[in-house]
Amino acid sequence: QVQLQESGPGLVKPSETLSLTCTVSADSFSSYYWGWIRQPPGKGLAYIGHIFHSGSTFYNPSLRSRVALSVDTSKHQFSLTMHSVAAADTAIYYCARITPLGWYFDLWGRGTLVTVSS
Amino acid sequence: EIVMTQSPATLSVSPGERATLSCRASQSVSTNLAWYQHKPGQAPRLLIYGASTRATAIPARFSGSGSGTEFTLTISSLQSEDFAVYYCQQYNNWPSLYTFGQGTKLEIK
Repeated sequence: QVQLQESGPGLVKPSETLSLTCTVSADSFSSYYWGWIRQPPGKGLAYIGHIFHSGSTFYNPSLRSRVALSVDTSKHQFSLTMHSVAAADTAIYYCARITPLGWYFDLWGRGTLVTVSS
Repeated sequence: EIVMTQSPATLSVSPGERATLSCRASQSVSTNLAWYQHKPGQAPRLLIYGASTRATAIPARFSGSGSGTEFTLTISSLQSEDFAVYYCQQYNNWPSLYTFGQGTKLEIK
């Protein structure tokens, strides 16, 4: 069964860089797009961006200036980097798989909490 | 940006009863609409895509309907494991911005 697992620091200081990685336990990595979504405490889900195995990306316009996604196909991993974080970036960060059959998120990770605090 | 609005914010229903959740889009998304179930500490789970197609292994008591701007998720006979937060999400005009509703919390009455 395919699984997605987020990893990275749980605490980041304001103005610094948040870095998360999602590891996919499947051989079909190159058949899908891969995305990031976050959920601030007490709030709903918000889309961050997605990436294809070729490296092509799409970002939420509200975050584009601070976010970069990358992919390592050989490791079945994709990563999120967010610069100049602030308290408002405190959230549970989820990675998810996007099926090209319909472009919805058909599989999600359990999420990882990132707190921005000094 | 397409804004998704879910109602109600909280829905209290007794086990065995029917639950009806609504989702409205600020502009037409055709049938490019998905529903997800989310329990605390767990990965969100895809329930419905294409507005009305159940995802793999989703029980038949879950059904979706609608097109354009108005959508409904119906759970015909609530089981204890169905109490969770439900989100709708539009994916129209991919790869444009995906947007989610703010969620409906389905709680035990």
